[in-house]
Amino acid sequence: QQQVKQSPQSLIVQKGGISIINCAYENTAFDYFPWYQQFPGKGPALLIAIRPDVSEKKEGRFTISFNKSAKQFSLHIMDSQPGDSATYFCAASRSDSNYQLIWGAGTKLIIKP
Amino acid sequence: ETGVTQSPTHLIKTRGQQVTLRCSSQSGHNTVSWYQQALGQGPQFIFQYYREEENGRGNFPPRFSGLQFPNYSSELNVNALELDDSALYLCASNRDRNTEAFFGQGTRLTVV
Repeated sequence: QQQVKQSPQSLIVQKGGISIINCAYENTAFDYFPWYQQFPGKGPALLIAIRPDVSEKKEGRFTISFNKSAKQFSLHIMDSQPGDSATYFCAASRSDSNYQLIWGAGTKLIIKP
Repeated sequence: ETGVTQSPTHLIKTRGQQVTLRCSSQSGHNTVSWYQQALGQGPQFIFQYYREEENGRGNFPPRFSGLQFPNYSSELNVNALELDDSALYLCASNRDRNTEAFFGQGTRLTVV
């Protein structure tokens, strides 16, 4: 019930293409869903986050789509650039559990020039 | 770059030893969480401190302990180190418990 399942494990996209990473969760008590970007040797950096009262949130080239009934959410990176090459993590937390983050396993994204 | 700083950046310890990792939270943040990230995996929640009190703990043994100081900086202590404790240890701070978490660059601990 606490797991967040992330796919794919790795992804190669051509420059200018759309990168899509998917996550699924079981615990319906989760009410905060962030995405983090992590470069080698660095800590994760918050990219974008969504709460279940909206189905989509867009910030620049990054969009989260959220499907509450399917218990799934995804990250779309439009016009992917080589600088987007990193590992991406989805996470989830619940406000009645001190917002401790439960993380997916990560997706290693490579953007080919 | 966030305002969360961790020290040291790298550390090598021998099995059975004890280690202390340090974290300075971002200015104005009163909540600190610690995570363990094994190579190739997502971070795992260790515990959280809010206004100097432990405010939640993940599935880690008691030899993992922590402190939060009046200035909201924090320490993670690990006793009786095991080889499996080798990981990147991440500290995150929040302005308050229900706000976004900002991470430091981590401390890479290697146990030999």
